[in-house]
Parts: sequence; C-alpha cells; structure tokens
Amino acid sequence: ILNVEQSPQSLHVQEGDSTNFTCSFPSSNFYALHWYRWETAKSPEALFVMTLNGDEKKKGRISATLNTKEGYSYLYIKGSQPEDSATYLCARNWGAGSYQLTFGKGTKLSVIP
Amino acid sequence: ETGVTQTPRHLVMGMTNKKSLKCEQHLGHNAMYWYKQSAKKPLELMFVYSLEERVENNSVPSRFSPECPNSSHLFLHLHTLQPEDSALYLCASSQTDRVPTGELFFGEGSRLTVL
Repeated sequence: ILNVEQSPQSLHVQEGDSTNFTCSFPSSNFYALHWYRWETAKSPEALFVMTLNGDEKKKGRISATLNTKEGYSYLYIKGSQPEDSATYLCARNWGAGSYQLTFGKGTKLSVIP
Repeated sequence: ETGVTQTPRHLVMGMTNKKSLKCEQHLGHNAMYWYKQSAKKPLELMFVYSLEERVENNSVPSRFSPECPNSSHLFLHLHTLQPEDSALYLCASSQTDRVPTGELFFGEGSRLTVL
C-alpha cells in the first residue's frame, strides 16, 4: 500500500503572496505523479502529470517540480489570487500499466482578498 | 454537455433501500472509475472498468455493485448500505492507452447519506 502525504493540510495567504506546498511519496517503482485542483462544489481538474526526475511543469502562475529519487513534488503558486482558493491533491501511480492512483488528503488553500 | 456527468448529485437513503448512481462521459474515453471520499480521508479507488471490463476491484463490500454497459456509462448499484457508507462518490474517466500518465477527468460527485 502506498502512502502519499501532503503538507500543510491547509493554509491561508494574502492575495498577491506566493506559496508552495509539498507532496511526499514512496520513491520505489515510481511511474507518474499527478496534481489536481479541486474547487468546492466542482469536480477535481488535472493540473499536471509528471513522470521524469527533475521534471518541471508550468501552467500560468502555477508550477510543479518532481524529485523521484527522494520522493517528493512541490507545487508553487505565484501571486495568489482569490480564484486559486481550492484543495490541491497529488496522487501517485502504482506502476506501469496500473490504473491505481493513491491520493494524498490534499492541501486546502484559502486566498484572502 | 460537460465532460463527465453524475446523477443524482445528492441522495439520501435508508439502510434497506436499493438505489443507483449514474455516470456518463462525453469525452470518448474507454476507462471509467468509481472513487469514494469519506470525511477526512483521501480519495479511494473502488472500481475501474477498461473497455467495459472490470480491471480493478479494491476489496469493496458486495453491497456496492458496479455496472458498465458501454464505454460511456457507469453505474454503482447500492443495497443494504450502512451509515458509514455516507460519502462523496466520484466518477472519473480516462483514455486507456494513456494509463498511467493520462489524467483523470472527474464528475462533480454524488453526495450519499445513509440513514
């Protein structure tokens, strides 16, 4: 059974601040790491899927990095806006060809105007 | 049409009832998933269907019974549930040939309350 840990559980930031949070996972037999953004009363939406050690992906003000050797990924949000308020989930695949994704409990971000 | 649609959005049922959750995807995907989110727990995979065949079944109690009649529709049949089964049930879809790097597309979920 995989354990995917996310920290912090929640955080509040002021509009305009930059922030980051962490996803930790077992590094053995790594295949892919997913990030999802989940706004209240909506459906989770994929942000990134990362597979290679050292991967860095960016979508607007949001970016993510991946370290598969030590088993962690960081998600960065530059210049947070109220619309960034959501729960950010990461998930690790169990391996090649596996449909299993193990999710963390998420980091709930609140951006204060 | 939104990508993945779930009905009903809210369901209240007694322990002796039989009900079903429905999921429909309009994305042309061929893998569909049921996930469960209980309070303060991470999303947990329940079932996966690929090309209408069940490929994952994560030790889910038999009171939950999935059905995938075609690649666009997925059902979760519920019977004699327990109050601890109250949770948000999310449906998702993906493209099979992109497993595991293809992202999941989720519905908005069905909030189930068992009295």
